[in-house]
Amino acid sequence: AQSVTQLDSQVPVFEEAPVELRCNYSSSVSVYLFWYVQYPNQGLQLLLKYLSGSTLVKGINGFEAEFNKSQTSFHLRKPSVHISDTAEYFCAVRNLNTGFQKLVFGTGTRLLVSP
Amino acid sequence: ETGVTQSPTHLIKTRGQQVTLRCSSQSGHNTVSWYQQALGQGPQFIFQYYREEENGRGNFPPRFSGLQFPNYSSELNVNALELDDSALYLCASSSNRDSRYEQYFGPGTRLTVT
Repeated sequence: AQSVTQLDSQVPVFEEAPVELRCNYSSSVSVYLFWYVQYPNQGLQLLLKYLSGSTLVKGINGFEAEFNKSQTSFHLRKPSVHISDTAEYFCAVRNLNTGFQKLVFGTGTRLLVSP
Repeated sequence: ETGVTQSPTHLIKTRGQQVTLRCSSQSGHNTVSWYQQALGQGPQFIFQYYREEENGRGNFPPRFSGLQFPNYSSELNVNALELDDSALYLCASSSNRDSRYEQYFGPGTRLTVT
């Protein structure tokens, strides 16, 4: 079985500062990795994903993430955040070997950007 | 291209009642997954439907059931509601032919059980 750990439940940061949201996963098989964002009272929007290839993945809204297989991590970064980045961020994994598309999510990290 | 839609947006039910939630897939998608997101938690996989059959299920009891229709829309039914069923229910659609492995989520239905 897979599991995802998001170590920080909340990350406060000032506008224009850099931010890193941490994600570690556990799996005995190969996985695909995803980051989703959830704005208040909305569904989930895909930020970026790692399937294969380059370990540095760029997504929407200036976010990027780096897959580190040896550390089983997939941390999300942004060099300069905006007030509008305030939201809940979820890391998720998907088992490559199952025939269905189950995503296993972490508990989320709330990013709070203040002026 | 129409996105994933869900209805209703909010629902209040009493313990012991039954509820049906609805989801319309994004155009061209043939697979629907349902997730339960309790307050302050990440979404938990309930089950997935493909070709009108359930082809994957998470750790949810049988009182959670579903349907997928020929137009790929879907329903989630929950019988004998319990207080812990209060959550945001998310529907996600995807295509098994999509090598990008992306799921597109709807805005969710917030269910409150009193």
